[in-house]
Formats: sequence, structure tokens, C-alpha cells
Amino acid sequence: KNQVEQSPQSLIILEGKNCTLQCNYTVSPFSNLRWYKQDTGRGPVSLTIMTFSENTKSNGRYTATLDADTKQSSLHITASQLSDSASYICVVFSGAGSYQLTFGKGTKLSVIP
Amino acid sequence: DSGVTQTPKHLITATGQRVTLRCSPRSGDLSVYWYQQSLDQGLQFLIQYYNGEERAKGNILERFSAQQFPDLHSELNLSSLELGDSALYFCASSVGGLAGFAGELFFGEGSRLTVL
Repeated sequence: KNQVEQSPQSLIILEGKNCTLQCNYTVSPFSNLRWYKQDTGRGPVSLTIMTFSENTKSNGRYTATLDADTKQSSLHITASQLSDSASYICVVFSGAGSYQLTFGKGTKLSVIP
Repeated sequence: DSGVTQTPKHLITATGQRVTLRCSPRSGDLSVYWYQQSLDQGLQFLIQYYNGEERAKGNILERFSAQQFPDLHSELNLSSLELGDSALYFCASSVGGLAGFAGELFFGEGSRLTVL
């Protein structure tokens, strides 16, 4: 069964600090991995999409990494801002006959002043 | 603004009732996906339509049904509502179907359903 596990479930950091969110997946066959940001009560917004051959991808202060061998991804947030407070969701797409998007439960990040 | 429009934004109804949620995808997108998100839970995939046809089914209850119309908008019908159906219902759209899916998935702002 395809699964996406995210850690930690929640995280509180001070404004200006960095943080790293983790995503482990058991999805086969792997096609791509996405990170979404979801503000409370709003729809998720895509941050990055990474394919098998990509190790790192950045979007402003957000940097995602992917290790396809260990089936792990991380999302690093640099110099956090209050507006980064949100849930961050890891989603893995499996292809080649098993077309399915598997969602993690998300990491809830709170940035405090 | 993702370009995906969902109505209504909020809906309060009683147990046993029936409601319809509406979604208009981004211009040019052929696929529509419906997701349910209960309080503090992850997004649960319900169903996908591509160009008017059902393409994939997730954990959708028999009391729920959906369709996609010729103009590509979609409706999610929830009937015999129970307290546990209270949730945020999101619609998302993409250009293609899931086969070979490498593109973006755009989410609407959701419809918050409260069943009393």
C-alpha cells in the first residue's frame, strides 16, 4: 500500500529561524514528489515538484531535497517569517499504470515572533 | 488566486439532508478532483473526472456522488448527511488526467460543510 509519512506532526519556531520538515514515502512506482503549503482553512498551494532525477529544488526561501534511493524528501525553510505558519503537505505521484496521488497528513508549522 | 472556483464557501445543514457543492476548474483544465479534509486530518481523495468521465475513485461513500458536465464544471452531491460528514471539501483541477501526470494540481478555496 502506498504511504506518505511526514514528521514532525507539528513544529513551533521563532521568526527568523530555519527549519526542516521530513517526508518518507513507500510509493511505487515513483513518478514525482510535491510539496504544498496550506494556510488554515484555505486550499493547498504548490511549492515544488520534483522528479526522480532531481535532488534539490528551490522556490524562494523554500528548498526541497529528494533522495529517491532512501525514499526521503525534506523541505527546508530559511529565515522563517510569520506568514510561513501553515501546514506543509508532501504528496507523491505514482505512475506507470498505478496513477495515484498519495497525500501525507502534513506538518503544522507555527512561526512565533 | 488558483483559478479554481468553489461554491458555496460555507454551508450549514442538518443531519439527513442533501447538499450540492460546485466546482469550476481553471480555464483549459480537463480534470477535476474532489477531496475531503476533516478537522486536523489529511486530504482524502474522493473522486476524479476527466473531460466528463469518471477516471478514478477513492474513499467516496455510497451516499456521495459526483459528475462533470459538458462545460467541465463539476458537482459533488452529499446525501443523508451525518455529523461525521462535516469537513472542508476541496476541488482541484489539472490540465490532463492522472496518466503521465507531471503538471500542476490547482486547488480551490474549499467549501466548509457543517452538519448539525
